[in-house]
Amino acid sequence: EDKVVQSPLSLVVHEGDTVTLNCSYEVTNFRSLLWYKQEKKAPTFLFMLTSSGIEKKSGRLSSILDKKELFSILNITATQTGDSAIYLCAVEAGNNAGNMLTFGGGTRLMVKP
Amino acid sequence: DAGVIQSPRHEVTEMGQEVTLRCKPISGHNSLFWYRQTMMRGLELLIYFNNNVPIDDSGMPEDRFSAKMPNASFSTLKIQPSEPRDSAVYFCASSKSWGGELFFGEGSRLTVL
Repeated sequence: EDKVVQSPLSLVVHEGDTVTLNCSYEVTNFRSLLWYKQEKKAPTFLFMLTSSGIEKKSGRLSSILDKKELFSILNITATQTGDSAIYLCAVEAGNNAGNMLTFGGGTRLMVKP
Repeated sequence: DAGVIQSPRHEVTEMGQEVTLRCKPISGHNSLFWYRQTMMRGLELLIYFNNNVPIDDSGMPEDRFSAKMPNASFSTLKIQPSEPRDSAVYFCASSKSWGGELFFGEGSRLTVL
């Protein structure tokens, strides 16, 4: 059974802090790893990672994948209150018959002013 | 594009009643997913369609749940009879065939009393 585990479960920081969110996985036929941000409603896409060691960056957010050790991290620098959300990691795995995403439980981040 | 459209946004019903949730995927997307999100279990995949055909329904909790996709622009998730433990937010998402990025709808919050 495919498994995605995120840590920590929750995190409280102050504005300006840097945070690192972790995602480890055990899946068959790995294809890609994705990060989503979920505020009050639907998850919104952040990054998709397919290759080890190549950092994806968008503003203050960055992410990297290690396919040997089967994990990914999401870094947020200079956090702002607007970064408060649940961050979801998902792994796409499958074969020619179909690809599916398995989500981790999420990390709930709260950024205090 | 209007994005993935779900209805109703909120549903409150009594145990034993039939519930039907609806989803319109993004035009041109060939894959459609139904997810359920609860505090306890996080985001769980219920069923996945590709080109209107159900590919994997192993996540459907039991026979009370059924999903259909009669055409490329419409899908339903039905619960009959509903139970209090079905209370959750149900998300519909769509993607291009083998692409990893999912676009989520706003979700349907179901409360079964």
